[in-house]
Amino acid sequence: DTEVTQTPKHLVMGMTNKKSLKCEQHMGHRAMYWYKQKAKKPPELMFVYSYEKLSINESVPSRFSPECPNSSLLNLHLHALQPEDSALYLCASSQIILAETPEGETQYFGPGTRLLVL
Amino acid sequence: EDQVTQSPEALRLQEGESSSLNCSYTVSGLRGLFWYRQDPGKGPEFLFTLYSAGEEKEKERLKATLTKKESFLHITAPKPEDSATYLCAVRWIYNTDKLIFGTGTRLQVFP
Repeated sequence: DTEVTQTPKHLVMGMTNKKSLKCEQHMGHRAMYWYKQKAKKPPELMFVYSYEKLSINESVPSRFSPECPNSSLLNLHLHALQPEDSALYLCASSQIILAETPEGETQYFGPGTRLLVL
Repeated sequence: EDQVTQSPEALRLQEGESSSLNCSYTVSGLRGLFWYRQDPGKGPEFLFTLYSAGEEKEKERLKATLTKKESFLHITAPKPEDSATYLCAVRWIYNTDKLIFGTGTRLQVFP
């Protein structure tokens, strides 16, 4: 099973709202990722967690706040977003960041959350 | 600068018309190359991992190959359900934390 789940599937929020995106995997993976994807563009890395600790923050604005409560869950807290933040937000996981072979580094993506900021 | 380039940007095929998609990279020290399929509005679906020149992997109508500078995704006798955007991504040994994605090839297969 290589399933990553994300909730909600769709989210509409105003610029003053606070909301959270959730991601879950039960593959025993210890690396989890948040990506942002605009239409007809490839995914852009936002954050990487390794063993529940933030490993990479790709200079993402502070209105995006990631959280990894345990090895299976990854949250993305949203606050005071701008309309240009509207996008597909993707969660992914891999066994670990650096493995003995690239198969262990293969990232499996969830279905995404379609976010619209009004 | 290390880059990943996919070609063509878009490809229209008749059902049954085989073709190949290309992913070329200027990365020094490839650690792994990954192929994904993405349907509109959905997350990328993993297809293949390659890391050795000469390596080949197959799955149904798809076959991925790897050389020292590029990878090909061969589609044999495609069906309309193969229509999607195909993304390749690479990791290299000097910056192992990140996947570098190409811009994708949008494939349309007509009946």
